[in-house]
Amino acid sequence: QQQVKQSPQSLIVQKGGISIINCAYENTAFDYFPWYQQFPGKGPALLIAIRPDVSEKKEGRFTISFNKSAKQFSLHIMDSQPGDSATYFCAATRKGNTPLVFGKGTRLSVIA
Amino acid sequence: EAGVVQSPRYKIIEKKQPVAFWCNPISGHNTLYWYLQNLGQGPELLIRYENEEAVDDSQLPKDRFSAERLKGVDSTLKIQPAELGDSAVYLCASSPRQGGSYNEQFFGPGTRLTVL
Repeated sequence: QQQVKQSPQSLIVQKGGISIINCAYENTAFDYFPWYQQFPGKGPALLIAIRPDVSEKKEGRFTISFNKSAKQFSLHIMDSQPGDSATYFCAATRKGNTPLVFGKGTRLSVIA
Repeated sequence: EAGVVQSPRYKIIEKKQPVAFWCNPISGHNTLYWYLQNLGQGPELLIRYENEEAVDDSQLPKDRFSAERLKGVDSTLKIQPAELGDSAVYLCASSPRQGGSYNEQFFGPGTRLTVL
């Protein structure tokens, strides 16, 4: 059973455009939703995270939108740049050092 | 500050051979995780340690996989014998002391295993 579903699998965006990646979760016990960025040959690195008590969180060009009733959250990358080309994973977990449950990832390519 | 260190970075072995991966977490991080990342997939937890105690190993295939974290610092993950389906990236992550907050997990670069 896939607890976190992520789409699309791949995404091509023009430089300066908006990249949007969507995730849905099933387990209502999840209460922390991070997004990780992974470059080839590297481990995932935390990009931005949100808790369900807010509907949106913005850090620079990156914004998470959260819909608790629909059990969905999304990542928006504004003014996408070629350097943003990477694989993005949404994840979900609970308070404390509980393991992350990852989506399958979205490979983003930003073309000039 | 150094990040999570893993070695080797790459390993190629023939099936039925043993293999071991090593992880040195960030200094002071009590929690250590081993994740398995198959090609085109997200990481999946294999085992989680709190200090030297394995507190979550339900996803570890215990017939061939084993892990240890002696003295609650470095950790080793072993596969014996390796199978073709074990080809993947093995990621180690660490996070600070468990508490009532959400602690970021810091990942190492991983070990890419190829079983021939």
